[in-house]
Amino acid sequence: KNQVEQSPQSLIILEGKNCTLQCNYTVSPFSNLRWYKQDTGRGPVSLTIMTFSENTKSNGRYTATLDADTKQSSLHITASQLSDSASYICVVSSGLGAGNMLTFGGGTRLMVKP
Amino acid sequence: ETGVTQSPTHLIKTRGQQVTLRCSSQSGHNTVSWYQQALGQGPQFIFQYYREEENGRGNFPPRFSGLQFPNYSSELNVNALELDDSALYLCASSLVPGGPYEQYFGPGTRLTVT
Repeated sequence: KNQVEQSPQSLIILEGKNCTLQCNYTVSPFSNLRWYKQDTGRGPVSLTIMTFSENTKSNGRYTATLDADTKQSSLHITASQLSDSASYICVVSSGLGAGNMLTFGGGTRLMVKP
Repeated sequence: ETGVTQSPTHLIKTRGQQVTLRCSSQSGHNTVSWYQQALGQGPQFIFQYYREEENGRGNFPPRFSGLQFPNYSSELNVNALELDDSALYLCASSLVPGGPYEQYFGPGTRLTVT
């Protein structure tokens, strides 16, 4: 069964600090891995998409890494801001066909405090 | 703003009733996916439509059905509503199914079943 596990479930950090969120997956076949940011009650917004051959990708203060051998990914947030408070969801795509089925992790709920 | 719109934003229904949710995809996108997101959990894939045909389905019963129209907008219909159907329903559009293409999510419809 395809699964995506994220840790920690929740995290509280002070504004200006860095943090790293983890994602482990058992999805086969593997097509790509995505990180989304979701504000409460809103739709997810894409941060990064990485394919098998990419091991790091940045989007401003967000840097995602991918180790396809160990099936692990991380999302590093630098110099956190209050607006970073949201849920961060790791999503793995199992490739073409079957509706490009995406397996979502349960998310990490990040709270940035002043 | 992703260009994906959903209506209504909120809806309250009684157990046993039927509901129709609507989604307008981003211009030029022919693929729409629907997700159910229970409170505090990651989205679960319901099904995907590509060029008016169902293109993959998740683990949801037949009372969850959908349509895609020639303009690529889409509907999600749920019959015989159950209390557990209470959730945020998200639709996402993409250029094509499959591959490392962005999925753009709408703001969601919050459905409450009493």
